[in-house]
Amino acid sequence: SAVISQKPSRDICQRGTSLTIQCQVDSQVTMMFWYRQQPGQSLTLIATANQGSEATYESGFVIDKFPISRPNLTFSTLTVSNMSPEDSSIYLCSLIISTEAFFGQGTRLTVV
Amino acid sequence: GEDVEQSLFLSVREGDSSVINCTYTDSSSTYLYWYKQEPGAGLQLLTYIFSNMDMKQDQRLTVLLNKKDKHLSLRIADTQTGDSAIYFCAERGGGADGLTFGKGTHLIIQP
Repeated sequence: SAVISQKPSRDICQRGTSLTIQCQVDSQVTMMFWYRQQPGQSLTLIATANQGSEATYESGFVIDKFPISRPNLTFSTLTVSNMSPEDSSIYLCSLIISTEAFFGQGTRLTVV
Repeated sequence: GEDVEQSLFLSVREGDSSVINCTYTDSSSTYLYWYKQEPGAGLQLLTYIFSNMDMKQDQRLTVLLNKKDKHLSLRIADTQTGDSAIYFCAERGGGADGLTFGKGTHLIIQP
């Protein structure tokens, strides 16, 4: 398995501002992913962040709104840009080791 | 696109078995997962199964897969109050694919 540290665990932000969420892993992994879980909803994949290549975004998500960095095999960031109340969600990073998919504890974001 | 469906709620009595069902549409699904999410907590990987398997058992958990019908189930034997949570079914095709999740089943335990 892997230990995934995600920061911050929660934040309350003003609309129009941006928040960068960090995900640190205790081992080197190729495949990392970012998900969003809107209130009372399931998880939706935002993008795949593989080291050494540009992030691949799912339909409905764009780089300008959710820029992602993946500088090395143990770290990634997701920025939620120009936030609005509709961005209030839990954001989770995830990684796959062999066949198992693990998740960070999530960042609970509230935009006011 | 891919779709994963689950019932939203399941109510069982403490000590009984819980069976949570899931259907999926992607015939290229290679891995199927069950996650548990307790209130305010993250996602806990409970178990997973390869698409070439019919069954997997792990202590109180039994996963059954009917690949022909694209139907997955999670059976929890001797359900306890600590099993109260939301259970998510998810599928993945493999390679660099991420997971596609169902909406989650709220498991409610009656005393």
